[in-house]
Amino acid sequence: AQKVTQAQTEISVVEKEDVTLDCVYETRDTTYYLFWYKQPPSGELVFLIRRNSFDEQNEISGRYSWNFQKSTSSFNFTITASQVVDSAVYFCALSKTSGSARQLTFGSGTQLTVLP
Amino acid sequence: DTEVTQTPKHLVMGMTNKKSLKCEQHMGHRAMYWYKQKAKKPPELMFVYSYEKLSINESVPSRFSPECPNSSLLNLHLHALQPEDSALYLCASSQVSGGRDRGRPPLHFGNGTRLTVT
Repeated sequence: AQKVTQAQTEISVVEKEDVTLDCVYETRDTTYYLFWYKQPPSGELVFLIRRNSFDEQNEISGRYSWNFQKSTSSFNFTITASQVVDSAVYFCALSKTSGSARQLTFGSGTQLTVLP
Repeated sequence: DTEVTQTPKHLVMGMTNKKSLKCEQHMGHRAMYWYKQKAKKPPELMFVYSYEKLSINESVPSRFSPECPNSSLLNLHLHALQPEDSALYLCASSQVSGGRDRGRPPLHFGNGTRLTVT
């Protein structure tokens, strides 16, 4: 069985602070995908990143960076110099590399509030 | 702007009404999904269509009836809903898993329809 844990239910920071959202996962598969999605108040989930379990390189995209550590089964997401527009619910998700869509497991989400 | 369009954005319906939710995408994706999301919860998978055929029904009650008229459109017909069905209904699309992407492609979601059943 797969499981994704986002232990931080809510985080509040002041604009320009850095913030890290934690994601810990459990799977028996040796290959898998990890995702981060952002859900602003408007409702749509916005795809941010997909990472294959083979690729442990960290990734940076603008103010966003992701730290994948297979040894600790974690895929943490850091926002540098946070902005009010970053306020949203962020979901981490885990998927088998193939098979049905049932195999996509979401974490419970972290509500990030960035205060001006 | 999202590339998956859902209408209506909001819907209020009584328990005896019949209504439909609509979803449209023009990204050439051949997999389309319906998810249900309650407040402060992650999305829950309801239905999956692959190449316009229903491939997954997650034991959803028959008062929800999906339809995929063509590769760009996905509908969800609602009839005799209950108040506990009130939620955000999200449509998503993706490339078919294991296709050219050779793996699990990301989902592209619409803005959702916020449904209230009175």
